[in-house]
Amino acid sequence: AQSVTQLDSHVSVSEGTPVLLRCNYSSSYSPSLFWYVQHPNKGLQLLLKYTSAATLVKGINGFEAEFKKSETSFHLTKPSAHMSDAAEYFCVVRGGYSTLTFGKGTMLLVSP
Amino acid sequence: SQTIHQWPATLVQPVGSPLSLECTVEGTSNPNLYWYRQAAGRGLQLLFYSVGIGQISSEVPQNLSASRPQDRQFILSSKKLLLSDSGFYLCAFTGRQGARNTEAFFGQGTRLTVV
Repeated sequence: AQSVTQLDSHVSVSEGTPVLLRCNYSSSYSPSLFWYVQHPNKGLQLLLKYTSAATLVKGINGFEAEFKKSETSFHLTKPSAHMSDAAEYFCVVRGGYSTLTFGKGTMLLVSP
Repeated sequence: SQTIHQWPATLVQPVGSPLSLECTVEGTSNPNLYWYRQAAGRGLQLLFYSVGIGQISSEVPQNLSASRPQDRQFILSSKKLLLSDSGFYLCAFTGRQGARNTEAFFGQGTRLTVV
C-alpha cells in the first residue's frame, strides 16, 4: 500500500520569496517520487522525479526537492517565486510496479 | 519522442446521453494506460488502468467504463451520463510494465460538463 499527504491545500507567497510545498509519503517498497505542476484546465507537467539516485533532485523552472527517507518526506522548494509559478502542484508516489498515487494537491498563489 | 493525445478538450453533454473520450499514445509500445478524474480540492482519482490490450482494471464502481482496443488507444465511455459525471478527465501513460521509475505523461485533459 502507498499514500501521499500534501500538508497544505494552499500556500501564498510574495514574488521573489522562497517557496516550500510539503509532501509526506508512505510506501511498502522503495518508492519513486514525483512532483507535477498543473495550470488551469491543462494537463500535468513533470517538474522532477526521484528514483533512488541522488537524494537532492533538481527540476525545471528552478524547483528542487530533497528525498528524506528518515522523515518520509519529499518537499518541493524554490529559492525565489515568480508570478508564473502560480499553479497547482501534486506530489506523487509509485512503489514497486504499482500504479501512481497522487496527493490532493497544493495551490500556490504568488502575489506581486 | 513519447506523446499523448486526448480529445476533445471540452464537452457539454445532456444527462442521459452517451460519452466517448479517446486517448492515443505515440512513441512507445506496451504502455500502462490510465484514466483519472479530477475534482477541485480532491486531487486525482484513478478510474481505470490497463497493462495491455483488453486488460482493464477498475478502481472505483461508477457509471463509466473503459476499453483498450489497441495497444496505444484507451477509451473512456458511458452509456448514460449523470450530472455527477461532470469533471476534468485526464488520460496518462507510463513506460512499459516493469519500468517502475518512469514518470507518467498526461494528456491535456477533457472538461466534461453534464447539463
